[in-house]
Amino acid sequence: KAGVTQTPRYLIKTRGQQVTLSCSPISGHRSVSWYQQTPGQGLQFLFEYFSETQRNKGNFPGRFSGRQFSNSRSEMNVSTLELGDSALYLCASSSYPAGLGNTIYFGEGSWLTVV
Amino acid sequence: AQSVAQPEDQVNVAEGNPLTVKCTYSVSGNPYLFWYVQYPNRGLQFLLKYITGDNLVKGSYGFEAEFNKSQTSFHLKKPSALVSDSALYFCAVRDGPGGKLIFGQGTELSVKP
Repeated sequence: KAGVTQTPRYLIKTRGQQVTLSCSPISGHRSVSWYQQTPGQGLQFLFEYFSETQRNKGNFPGRFSGRQFSNSRSEMNVSTLELGDSALYLCASSSYPAGLGNTIYFGEGSWLTVV
Repeated sequence: AQSVAQPEDQVNVAEGNPLTVKCTYSVSGNPYLFWYVQYPNRGLQFLLKYITGDNLVKGSYGFEAEFNKSQTSFHLKKPSALVSDSALYFCAVRDGPGGKLIFGQGTELSVKP
């Protein structure tokens, strides 16, 4: 069974541009969440989608947005990129809402560098 | 609010020796605790989780974790470390029924031959 797939794996953008990252969850998983990982802030929750609806949101500015499609695939978008947005963006999926004990599985991440 | 803490930024172990990576938690309600490992330039790999039941949880790659309610700890252990275990380890607690995890700051494990 394929794992969580994220594309692209690496990308470089210029300040002020926008970026879209894509995530395909494990087959059958309907919950997709996004995390940002930086050396300074560690792993921080961005948002979660279930059945095309945002269910939870972390403490990030409105420049960070996401969506989920009917096939559970998800995209996140960052507009007006800043240097501080350089990070590893991780997508995770789980079979929520079956229970609190569900395992959350992560993809390999998308490395974003803003120059 | 849920939180976890990993008190050690780095743990150094000789190959063949037992290893412990520490994690303490603070939760309201029952804790749902996870350990993940991250190898360089990779995503997070699930190792094990505690939901309820036995305090000793067995996971992938020979790792296990001991849940201790009185000490609010969930330490990761392995009886005999391998050089290939060298990686960044994260403890996490689930924040509610969705996909939100609260992570510790991570512990870098270095296993020397």
